[in-house]
Amino acid sequence: KQEVTQIPAALSVPEGENLVLNCSFTDSAIYNLQWFRQDPGKGLTSLLLIQSSQREQTSGRLNASLDKSSGRSTLYIAASQPGDSATYLCAVNPPMNRDDKIIFGKGTRLHILP
Amino acid sequence: NAGVTQTPKFRVLKTGQSMTLLCAQDMNHEYMYWYRQDPGMGLRLIHYSVGEGTTAKGEVPDGYNVSRLKKQNFLLGLESAAPSQTSVYFCASSRNQRDTQYFGPGTRLTVL
Repeated sequence: KQEVTQIPAALSVPEGENLVLNCSFTDSAIYNLQWFRQDPGKGLTSLLLIQSSQREQTSGRLNASLDKSSGRSTLYIAASQPGDSATYLCAVNPPMNRDDKIIFGKGTRLHILP
Repeated sequence: NAGVTQTPKFRVLKTGQSMTLLCAQDMNHEYMYWYRQDPGMGLRLIHYSVGEGTTAKGEVPDGYNVSRLKKQNFLLGLESAAPSQTSVYFCASSRNQRDTQYFGPGTRLTVL
């Protein structure tokens, strides 16, 4: 059964620094991987989706990478800002030939210090 | 374009009471999902639907029922609420099963 882990559970970083959030998964057979952002008391917002055939995706100051063979993905945030403070979750979709459903990590709570 | 909306936003129930949570989406998505989010447990799939008139069980379906009579609506029912169902409930929708999911703002439910 697929397991998705995000370590650390919480992270504090001074404003302006570049940072990396980690996501690991146990089964390398995936269809795609998504990164979401969740603000306190709000729903999830999709940030980036990486297909299994891709190595990375970029959106503004965000860059997500995928290494299927090692079961790892990273979300790189450049020049962090206080507005980046939120919980970041990754989620893995199984291949089309499996009936399994999307599996979410428990998230990393990010706090950017002004 | 409102995306995914959920009603109500907050609700307090007594043990044994029933209620229905409503989810609506205006993106013409086929797939809709109900999740619960609990501290330390992450997001867990309760039920989902692959199209109008269909429903299927997710990871934690016990104690919940769902209906998808119209494509844009997905209802989650609790027939006899229990304190263990205290949680934040999220609805989501997607174009297909492995596409990006769009989430609603959530319903915070407390069962006393």
